[in-house]
Formats: sequence, structure tokens, C-alpha cells
Amino acid sequence: DTGVSQDPRHKITKRGQNVTFRCDPISEHNRLYWYRQTLGQGPEFLTYFQNEAQLEKSRLLSDRFSAERPKGSFSTLEIQRTEQGDSAMYLCASSRSQETQYFGPGTRLLVL
Amino acid sequence: GESVGLHLPTLSVQEGDNSIINCAYSNSASDYFIWYKQESGKGPQFIIDIRSNMDKRQGQRVTVLLNKTVKHLSLQIAATQPGDSAVYFCAENMVTGANNLFFGTGTRLTVIP
Repeated sequence: DTGVSQDPRHKITKRGQNVTFRCDPISEHNRLYWYRQTLGQGPEFLTYFQNEAQLEKSRLLSDRFSAERPKGSFSTLEIQRTEQGDSAMYLCASSRSQETQYFGPGTRLLVL
Repeated sequence: GESVGLHLPTLSVQEGDNSIINCAYSNSASDYFIWYKQESGKGPQFIIDIRSNMDKRQGQRVTVLLNKTVKHLSLQIAATQPGDSAVYFCAENMVTGANNLFFGTGTRLTVIP
């Protein structure tokens, strides 16, 4: 499968714990995006990378959230001190420059 | 229409009929539009896209129409099949600006066998 992959697919954690998600983009894609989706809503943009540079962050990305793409390939999204409001599907997408974004299957996070 | 919380606009069609899903976009400067299909528990799947210099684009069983005057986008699915049942989102982007997609509310399509 040469699509976008995400790991884990599901994560249940207790409030206050830290969690980290991984995204592996399509191999030749230089851009990588993170979105968050809550039930019944469309995905909302969080941040994106061009190669290893993080070029834009949404105001939704609070100080507890950090994303990295150290070698310009896979990316990680960490949430520190999770809150119940962080419960959502976290989606990763990749693209070749400004072309179509292709999404991964998502990581569903539940904070208890 | 607008959705409130879990109440997505819905469309039910008979198998074999044509479906039309509508979307109003917000930014008159947007110049790239995409339709995604999302099945339960999965990520959005690309269906078709269109740039603002076109008003119609056809794919396999799908057609996207763009009316820039009224900022309206539609997705037509021919001969709708049970496997087309999903939530459909339109998304807009400004190709020359920040590259994030802005998603619409979504429409839940149910195909009745």
C-alpha cells in the first residue's frame, strides 16, 4: 500500500497524559498536513510542513500540541496534558507541492 | 443546508438514480476545489477536483460543477450504487496562498437498494 499511513489507529488515554501520533506520507510528497475532525464536522486544519519546515500553524494548535517532521519524511504530532476536548479524529494528509492532498485513515483519540 | 452538531444534511436516493450534492463555499478568492468521500471510521478519500478557470469537470460516474458567481459547487454521481453511501465534503483552497483546505459541512448520502 503506497498511501498515507497513520499509527496508531485508535488511542484511549486518561486526562493529563501525553500522546504521540505518527504519520507516514506518500513517499514522493514533500508536503504533509495535520487536521482534526470532531464528530459530525469536516476536518479542520492544524499545521503543515514543506519538507522538514513547519510553515503554518492554526490557532487551534494550542501550546500543548507540537508537530515535527525531522527528516522531511514521517511526522509526529504530540499532545501534552491531554484534555477531554482533545477527543477527535486526527488526520494526516500529504501532497506534492500544491497538488491534491491525500488523506490517511486517521487516529481516533478518546480522552477519558 | 447548515449542520448543527451531528445533524448533517442528508440525501437519500434509490440505487441506480443520479445524485446531486451541493456545497456553498465561503471565500471568493478560493481557486481550487475538491470533493472528498468519507466512509465511517475512515479518512477522506479524494473523488474529483476543479480549478476556478473551469466550470465543469467529469470523472468516472462523477461530475463537478462550479458556479463562481454564486460561490456554489455541486457533485453529481451517476447511477448511484450502495457503495457510494458516505459523507461527502467539499473543500476549498487558495493555490497561491496558504495551502490548508477549508472543508464544508458535509452531506450524508444514503443509497437505498
